[in-house]
Amino acid sequence: QKEVEQDPGPLSVPEGAIVSLNCTYSNSAFQYFMWYRQYSRKGPELLMYTYSSGNKEDGRFTAQVDKSSKYISLFIRDSQPSDSATYLCAMKILTNTGNQFYFGTGTSLTVIP
Amino acid sequence: NAGVTQTPKFRVLKTGQSMTLLCAQDMNHEYMYWYRQDPGMGLRLIHYSVGEGTTAKGEVPDGYNVSRLKKQNFLLGLESAAPSQTSVYFCASSFRILTGGVTDTQYFGPGTRLTVL
Repeated sequence: QKEVEQDPGPLSVPEGAIVSLNCTYSNSAFQYFMWYRQYSRKGPELLMYTYSSGNKEDGRFTAQVDKSSKYISLFIRDSQPSDSATYLCAMKILTNTGNQFYFGTGTSLTVIP
Repeated sequence: NAGVTQTPKFRVLKTGQSMTLLCAQDMNHEYMYWYRQDPGMGLRLIHYSVGEGTTAKGEVPDGYNVSRLKKQNFLLGLESAAPSQTSVYFCASSFRILTGGVTDTQYFGPGTRLTVL
């Protein structure tokens, strides 16, 4: 079983729709949760970062973490064509020697004008 | 402030050839990482470094070597390229803050697309 599971999609929505992206994980030791956005032929860029259960909002984006269910979500409100990208969830454990990062495989999103 | 840069952007190799990918960061980050990204596999860690002069193996280290002679540079070497090493390679860097925090997250370079024929 992979440490992090993410539905690869692809996901296609009309402009203005609410998008829900999800990841599940198996390791209860994960402490920090991140969402990266990756445009075609570019490197991933950090979109959202959270370390506790609950919701964190940033503009049109809301990151949700449910540690009891080992489930995280990213919601995009009023989706725009510029949101078309691959979204990667990532998780982090702090260890004595540093940080260990684990990534989902990414969900491809297309927002149709 | 250029962030994380990677050289070259594209490369085509023949089986058995060698090459070195260069990663440079100007953010004074202690940690640096090399990942490969393949369809359906996500990002997989090849090697990483927790400081100048140190390296460690990640999830898929076989066939690769790395060196971190300077804090700002992290080199990934392929001694004898194989078609299975066709991939997009990403370098990333981060601060070493053991208590965590948003500044502890990884910053990625633009990637190197490598094709091995």
